[in-house]
Amino acid sequence: DAGVIQSPRHEVTEMGQEVTLRCKLISGHNSLFWYRQTMMRGLELLIYFNNNVPIDDSGMPEDRFSAKMPNASFSTLKIQPSEPRDSAVYFCASRPTGPTEAFFGQGTRLTVV
Amino acid sequence: ELKVEQNPLFLSMQEGKNYTIYCNYSTTSDRLYWYRQDPGKSLESLFVLLSNGAVKQEGRLMASLDTKARLSTLHITAAVHDLSATYFCAPGGFGNEKLTFGTGTRLTIIP
Repeated sequence: DAGVIQSPRHEVTEMGQEVTLRCKLISGHNSLFWYRQTMMRGLELLIYFNNNVPIDDSGMPEDRFSAKMPNASFSTLKIQPSEPRDSAVYFCASRPTGPTEAFFGQGTRLTVV
Repeated sequence: ELKVEQNPLFLSMQEGKNYTIYCNYSTTSDRLYWYRQDPGKSLESLFVLLSNGAVKQEGRLMASLDTKARLSTLHITAAVHDLSATYFCAPGGFGNEKLTFGTGTRLTIIP
C-alpha cells in the first residue's frame, strides 16, 4: 500500500481564493483525521470522520473551513475564502478499526499571501 | 476537554546521556500513542501503549503508560544524534477515537 496520499504537497494562493486539499486514505481504514500544524499552535485536530461520518468538527476554526468524505477512501478540506493566517501544514491521517495507530500523509504546506 | 501536556518542550542533550520526556493528560484514557517528527517531515508512529503498566522498547527508546496517574514517559538511553526530532504523545481510548496530540518535545542531541 502507498500509504496516506495528500495533494497537493505545496500550495501558494492569494488571500480570498478558494483552496482544496485532498487526502486518500489507506485501503480498509475507516477513520480519517485532519490536522493543522503551525509553530504557534502546534498540531491541532480540525475534524475527524468515522465510516465517512463527521464525528467531531469542534476544531474547525470557522465557517470558512469545510471537510467532506464523499466515499470511504477520499476526503477534502476546503478553505473559502482563504486568509494569510490559514498558512500552515495540513496533515491527514487514517486509521483502521481498533486500538491501532493512525498513519499520516506527507502533508500539504499551504501559504496564503 | 482533553488537555495534553508534554515536558520539557525543548531538550538539548549530549550524546551518550539518558533522559525522560513526560506526557500528562487530563481525562481518562486507556491507551496512548507516541510519534516522532523529523524537521519538514510527517509524523511517524513509534509506540502504541494499550493498557495500564504497558511498556514498549525499541532500540534506545522505551515508553511506558500509567493510566491511573494519566502519565506516559518516553525514556532515551545513551542518546545518539539520529534521535534528534520532535516527539509527540497522543492519548486515545474508551471508544473515543479522537486523537489529540500534546505540545511536542523538540529533542536535540549534541555530539
